[in-house]
Amino acid sequence: QSVLTQPPSASGTPGQRVTISCSGSSSNIGSNTVNWYQQLPGTAPKLLIYSNNQRPSGVPDRFSGSKSGTSASLAISGLQSEDEADYYCAAWDDSLNGRRFGGGTKLTVL
Amino acid sequence: EVQLVESGGGLVKPGGSLRLSCAASGFTFSSYSMNWVRQAPGKGLEWVSSISSSSSYIYYADSVKGRFTISRDNAKNSLYLQMNSLRAEDTAVYYCEMATTTNDYWGQGTLVTVSS
Repeated sequence: QSVLTQPPSASGTPGQRVTISCSGSSSNIGSNTVNWYQQLPGTAPKLLIYSNNQRPSGVPDRFSGSKSGTSASLAISGLQSEDEADYYCAAWDDSLNGRRFGGGTKLTVL
Repeated sequence: EVQLVESGGGLVKPGGSLRLSCAASGFTFSSYSMNWVRQAPGKGLEWVSSISSSSSYIYYADSVKGRFTISRDNAKNSLYLQMNSLRAEDTAVYYCEMATTTNDYWGQGTLVTVSS
């Protein structure tokens, strides 16, 4: 069981807005920043969001992140078929003295 | 262009050893911390280990502590992961990763299979 908890699956139709949650604790999300990664089938992960809500250059503004207390969320608006992928949250954990990933959420575009 | 190329993966018997390498180019390797992250077949991402730019700070996941050793050679722009006492549950694609303040970069991964 992952230290950071994500729903195993999410879905939406093209054009819809979808959110993916990531629940942690005071030792990880509560005291450190959160990153979000997108992993398309058969490829390496790609950074989508860093420092809770910042987008690397080249990432569309359809992707946004937020954090409140010990939870974080990734929102995808204007859902597109190419958004179908696995999404992971990650944060450093001060108690475990290590980086932790969520279990991942498989997003299906219906 | 940042490039990270892993090598050294393969099939190894339980209890065996393997050394992974990650060749870096396109950036000042000696200025950045580096990470190893793995992904078991059909499973999620798992952080394995991190090393600071000058090797002063090293961290390991509990699952590999005492068996794996991360190291780097800044003169050769290379990152390493020495894996000993390998177990079936270490079977995974191993990625090397470099993170800046505003982006991060991953290699294509190298597959390690631990099986008799």
